[in-house]
Amino acid sequence: DIQMTQSPSSLSASVGDRVTITCRASQSISSYLNWYQQKPGKAPKLLIYAASSLQSGVPSRFSGSGSGTEFSLTISSLQLEDFATYYCQQSYSTHITFGQGTRLEIK
Amino acid sequence: EVQLLESGGGLVQPGGSLRLTCAASGFTFNNYAMSWVRQTPGKGLEWVSAISGGGGSTYYADSVKGRFTISRDNSKNTLYLQMNSLRAEDTAVYSCAKTFRSGSYSPFDYWGQGTLVTVSS
Repeated sequence: DIQMTQSPSSLSASVGDRVTITCRASQSISSYLNWYQQKPGKAPKLLIYAASSLQSGVPSRFSGSGSGTEFSLTISSLQLEDFATYYCQQSYSTHITFGQGTRLEIK
Repeated sequence: EVQLLESGGGLVQPGGSLRLTCAASGFTFNNYAMSWVRQTPGKGLEWVSAISGGGGSTYYADSVKGRFTISRDNSKNTLYLQMNSLRAEDTAVYSCAKTFRSGSYSPFDYWGQGTLVTVSS
């Protein structure tokens, strides 16, 4: 299976900060990379698909980039509602795998 | 409005069986592949199994292959997960998830709220 590794595992930041989370695949997955946001007690929410396409209704402060094995999710100006856990997920293989998650906390 | 409602979770002894159900509404069910994804309390997401829209293709994580069976009844807009030979490490919240686009297996644009499976003696 394709292994997905996120960094950092946790991150403290302040409202208004620019934040970047990275995700590395154990083999090339082209642009088959998706990002989700999950808040406690809630289902994950799709933010970005195909590495850089913004899901409908997601604020434009979220952006994704990368291809091959290296990807990133950037939040340009953190808002209070953005403090959550973020997961990357590859859809290159039918054996879907997720990263271990990045917990974004308020500093 | 898309809705996914899981049921069937509970407490089961190691070696036991459970069948999870996901009732879907608000979209053309047979047009979309569906998956089961589990999450251990306080930990991350693990994909468990996927099934094509017609039901003819199925996929499993290595951790459940040979023990779990995914199926669907498109006439009832319902997805199932039959779980046999359950182990303590299968303890998790199990959610069904709808694929974003017809013909693909992910990403997932809608998720259910999940049903808790606890494997313990």
